[in-house]
Amino acid sequence: QKEVEQNSGPLSVPEGAIASLNCTYSDRGSQSFFWYRQYSGKSPELIMSIYSNGDKEDGRFTAQLNKASQYVSLLIRDSQPSDSATYLCAVKENTGFQKLVFGTGTRLLVSP
Amino acid sequence: DTGVSQNPRHKITKRGQNVTFRCDPISEHNRLYWYRQTLGQGPEFLTYFQNEAQLEKSRLLSDRFSAERPKGSFSTLEIQRTEQGDSAMYLCASSLNSRSSSYEQYFGPGTRLTVT
Repeated sequence: QKEVEQNSGPLSVPEGAIASLNCTYSDRGSQSFFWYRQYSGKSPELIMSIYSNGDKEDGRFTAQLNKASQYVSLLIRDSQPSDSATYLCAVKENTGFQKLVFGTGTRLLVSP
Repeated sequence: DTGVSQNPRHKITKRGQNVTFRCDPISEHNRLYWYRQTLGQGPEFLTYFQNEAQLEKSRLLSDRFSAERPKGSFSTLEIQRTEQGDSAMYLCASSLNSRSSSYEQYFGPGTRLTVT
């Protein structure tokens, strides 16, 4: 069983719609969760971090965390073609180690 | 505020050769990480430094791989006797050990290694 799971996509949404990206993780004790955006051929860019249950909003992005269900999601409101990228979910497990464990990413395509 | 920098950005080498990559973290960040990413996969952790101390190493990091951070600033990752399976993007990240953002890691542009 993979430690961090994401649907590889592609997830296709029209411009202006809400894109919903989902991630599940296996380590129940995980405390820190991150969303990175990665354009083709580029390195990951941190867009959101979330540590507590509930929602965290930053501009058009909302991260949602449900530790009981071991589920974290990213909502992108008013999606733009420039949002087309791969979105990586990363988890810092409750192991005392500092490494992040990444999912394989979900490819988002926003059509004009 | 400059970000994480990595050099070279691209490296093509022949199988069996040694290669060395450099990473310069964000200036006030005391934590530095190396990851490797292959096509269609998320980054995989290789190793982690806090200041000059190498505190974590992945089982992925074979004896051919070695990393250093001699003065707690820049870091180097060396791969000896490269193999075709080493072809990947090598990513460096750094983070600041603070209460509010101690686990937020910021990546450099990466070094793309191609072993022929």
